[in-house]
Amino acid sequence: EVQLEESGGGLVTPGGSLRLSCAASGFTFSSYAMNWVRQAPGKGLEWVSSISSSGYYTYYADSVKGRFTISRDTDRNSLHLQMDSLRAEDTALYYCARAPRSSMARGVDDVFDIWGRGTMVIVSS
Amino acid sequence: AIRMTQSPSSFSASTGDRVTITCRATQGISSYLAWYQQKPGKAPELLIYAASTLQSGVPSRFSGSGSGTEFTLTISCLQSDDFAAYYCQQYYDFPPTFGGGTKVEIK
Repeated sequence: EVQLEESGGGLVTPGGSLRLSCAASGFTFSSYAMNWVRQAPGKGLEWVSSISSSGYYTYYADSVKGRFTISRDTDRNSLHLQMDSLRAEDTALYYCARAPRSSMARGVDDVFDIWGRGTMVIVSS
Repeated sequence: AIRMTQSPSSFSASTGDRVTITCRATQGISSYLAWYQQKPGKAPELLIYAASTLQSGVPSRFSGSGSGTEFTLTISCLQSDDFAAYYCQQYYDFPPTFGGGTKVEIK
C-alpha cells in the first residue's frame, strides 16, 4: 500500500526550530518529487516546499524561504523539513505529499496525489 | 503569484442534487488545474487533474471542465460521502496556489 506518514510536529516557542519527517512506503521513493503543504487551523491549503526526485532542485514559498530547508534521504525513503526561526503564523498541520508525474526539475509543475495524515506544528509562547 | 478564487465559499445541498463549484484564476493557466476533496479531520484527496481527468478510483459522478481562467467541478448526483470541502489548485506557474475552498454542507 502506498503510504506517507509524517512525524516531528509539536509545540515550539517563536524563534525555535523543529524538524519534520515523512516516511514513505509502497512505492519507489527515489522516482518521485515530494512536497510539503500546510493548513492553518480552520483555513485552506498552502504549498510550502518541494524537492525534485533527484533531490537536486528545491523550491520554497516566499513565506518560508530562508527559514525552512527541505531534504530527502533515498536510502531511508524519507522526506524532511527543517524549520528554523519559527513564527506564530507557521502554526499549521503540515502534510507530506507526492507528485505523481513530474520530476520537478523544471519547477513545481504537478499535482499532489498521495498525502500523509499530517503532523501539527504549534508556534506559541 | 496566480490567485485562485472559488465560489461559493460554502453552500447547502441535498443528497441527489447536481452541484457545481467554480474556480477562477487571475491569469490563464491552460488546463493545469486540479481539484481535491477534504473531509473533516482527513488529508485532502486528489479528485481531478489536468482540469478534467479523473484520478483513478474517483467515482464518475465527479467531473471537471474549463481552461484558461475559469473552471468548474460538478458532482452529478450528490451522495452522503460527498459532503466535504473542495479545493482547486493551479500548477501552471510557480508558486502552486490553491483556492480558498468550498464547503458543501447537508441541507
